[in-house]
Amino acid sequence: EVQLLQSGAVLKKPGESLKISCKGSPDSFTNSWIGWVRQMPGKGLEWMGIVYPRDSDTRYGPSFQGQVTLSVDKSISTAYLHWSSLKASDSAMYFCARRLDDCRSTACYYYFDYWGQGTLVTVSS
Amino acid sequence: DIRMTQSPSSLSASVGDRVTITCQASQDITNYLNWYQQKPGKAPKLLIYGASTLVTGVPSRFSGSGSGTDFSLTITGLQPEDLATYYCQQYDSVPEMFGQGTRLEIK
Repeated sequence: EVQLLQSGAVLKKPGESLKISCKGSPDSFTNSWIGWVRQMPGKGLEWMGIVYPRDSDTRYGPSFQGQVTLSVDKSISTAYLHWSSLKASDSAMYFCARRLDDCRSTACYYYFDYWGQGTLVTVSS
Repeated sequence: DIRMTQSPSSLSASVGDRVTITCQASQDITNYLNWYQQKPGKAPKLLIYGASTLVTGVPSRFSGSGSGTDFSLTITGLQPEDLATYYCQQYDSVPEMFGQGTRLEIK
C-alpha cells in the first residue's frame, strides 16, 4: 500500500533555512512524480511543483520558481522541500502527494492519488 | 498558465439536496480535470479524474461532467459527511493549477 509520511511541524525564524521531508513506500516512488502543495491558513490549495524520483526532473509553479527547491533521494524513497531563507509569508501547511500518470489505450490521466498528512511550517520572530 | 475559477465560493445546503459546483478553465483543457474533497484538518482526497471518472470507493452520489472549459461536480442526495471544501484541478499543462475552492456547509 502506498503511504507518504511527512516530517513534523516546525517553528523557524525569518532568514533561517529549512528542509522538510516526505518518505514514501518504494511503490510511491516508482514511475510516479511527487508533488508539493501549499495551503496557507484559511486558504486554498496551491500547486508548488513536482519532482520525478527516477531522474530528479523538476517542474515548478511560477510563484515558487526560485523560492524553493524540490529534491529527492530515491535510494531512501524520500522527497524534500527546501527553503534557503524563510519569510513569514512561508507560514503554511505543506502537503506532499503522489502524482500518478495513469496511461491507458485511449488517454492519460494525471492525478494526486495519495497524500501525506501535511507539515505545518510556522515562521515567526 | 491556465487559471481555474470555481463558483460559488461557498454554499449551504440541506441533507438530501442536489448540489452543483462549477469550474471554468481559462482555456480549453479537453477533459483534463480532477476534483478533490478536503475535510477540515485533513489532506485532500481525490474524488474524480478525467472530468467524470469516479475513483473506486467514492460514493455514487458524486458525479462529474464537462469538457473544454466548463465543468461541474454534482452531489445528488447530500449527506452530513459531505461537509468539506471542494477543489478542481487541471492537468492539461504545468503548472497544474487548482481552483480557489468551494466551501460546502450543511444546513
